[in-house]
Amino acid sequence: AQKITQTQPGMFVQEKEAVTLDCTYDTSDPSYGLFWYKQPSSGEMIFLIYQGSYDQQNATEGRYSLNFQKARKSANLVISASQLGDSAMYFCAMKAPMNRDDKIIFGKGTRLHILP
Amino acid sequence: EPEVTQTPSHQVTQMGQEVILRCVPISNHLYFYWYRQILGQKVEFLVSFYNNEISEKSEIFDDQFSVERPDGSNFTLKIRSTKLEDSAMYFCASSGYREGSSGANVLTFGAGSRLTVL
Repeated sequence: AQKITQTQPGMFVQEKEAVTLDCTYDTSDPSYGLFWYKQPSSGEMIFLIYQGSYDQQNATEGRYSLNFQKARKSANLVISASQLGDSAMYFCAMKAPMNRDDKIIFGKGTRLHILP
Repeated sequence: EPEVTQTPSHQVTQMGQEVILRCVPISNHLYFYWYRQILGQKVEFLVSFYNNEISEKSEIFDDQFSVERPDGSNFTLKIRSTKLEDSAMYFCASSGYREGSSGANVLTFGAGSRLTVL
């Protein structure tokens, strides 16, 4: 069975600091994809970053990077130089296997609060 | 950036009433999805739809739920007889290539339809 675990229900971080949001996953499929989505208070789900299980390098998108440690089955999201607008709910998600339709399953999320 | 559009943004209904939530997926996407998020909880998969039929559904997606693609652009979720526990945010998503995804398809979500059942 596939599972996504986010152990931090909430985090408080000072503006301009870097923040790491934890995500661990479990799957028996060798081919899988990991995603992070941001959900601001307005409610929409915004795609941030993707990491494939066979990707050699950690994914980066602007201030977002994914610390992918395959042996540990972790895919932590790192936000550098946090901003007030980063305050939101963050969901880690997984798709496995990659050769089926693109359904993803979500973790419970981490609510990030950026303090001025 | 192409968008997934959902209507209505908020619907209030009486228990037992039928509700139809509408979605316009991104035009060149082939897979469509409905997810549900009860307030403060995780986002749960309901159903996926491909080639005009359901490709997968969760145990939440019981006989009270149905999906349809009535024309080339709309994708609808119908709840036949709403229950109090159907109150949630319902997200439509469609799947396709996105920049920065190493060629993998990414689900793009709509802004959601908040359903309140009284």
